[in-house]
Amino acid sequence: DTAVSQTPKYLVTQMENDKSIKCEQNLGHDTMYWYKQDSKKFLKIMFSYNNKELIINETVPNRFSPKSPDKAHLNLHINSLELGDSAVYFCASRGTSGEIYEQYFGPGTRLTVT
Amino acid sequence: AQTVTQSQPEMSVQEAETVTLSCTYDTSESNYYLFWYKQPPSRQMILVIRQEAYKQQNATENRFSVNFQKAAKSFSLKISDSQLGDTAMYFCAFMNPLGTYKYIFGTGTRLKVLA
Repeated sequence: DTAVSQTPKYLVTQMENDKSIKCEQNLGHDTMYWYKQDSKKFLKIMFSYNNKELIINETVPNRFSPKSPDKAHLNLHINSLELGDSAVYFCASRGTSGEIYEQYFGPGTRLTVT
Repeated sequence: AQTVTQSQPEMSVQEAETVTLSCTYDTSESNYYLFWYKQPPSRQMILVIRQEAYKQQNATENRFSVNFQKAAKSFSLKISDSQLGDTAMYFCAFMNPLGTYKYIFGTGTRLKVLA
């Protein structure tokens, strides 16, 4: 079974459209994250939720809105897409078994805005 | 604010040889966690190795080991007996377990293993 899954894996859309990326984890973790990886492979945190509560909200345009309906799901909605939003978006969840704070990543969603 | 620096954008190594990837970080905290992640062309992020700052012993995972120098704020990754499947981007990451559990990643090192 996949630990952290994302849908879709690829998303091609036009500017000004609205799109969502879904993320689910079956690891029983309380904390989930969204990252953006740009064309230079730089990985930057966007948001984090702990048990449905927003705990990290980096400097991200307010066109990006995360939603966590329950602690196993963290979705990312993007309004009015721009060319600069093209990137790979990774969802991750964090373990707390013992003192090992390992992150488990999803496969990523490659978003291309044309 | 914490920062993570990987000063080697690209490296190459011959198959079966050993290579060391560098990572330095800046923090005023005494308790934190460090990680190395591998991202092969498939783009999946895979944890390679982790180190708790309060542990003096360097972590090892099979062919992968770290040289953790807390005073120097250095956390290098050594890959022994390099294999073609080690070709990937490698990211160093820092996490402070107090507060928001935010992970900070370095800019990555692209490693190519040559046959």
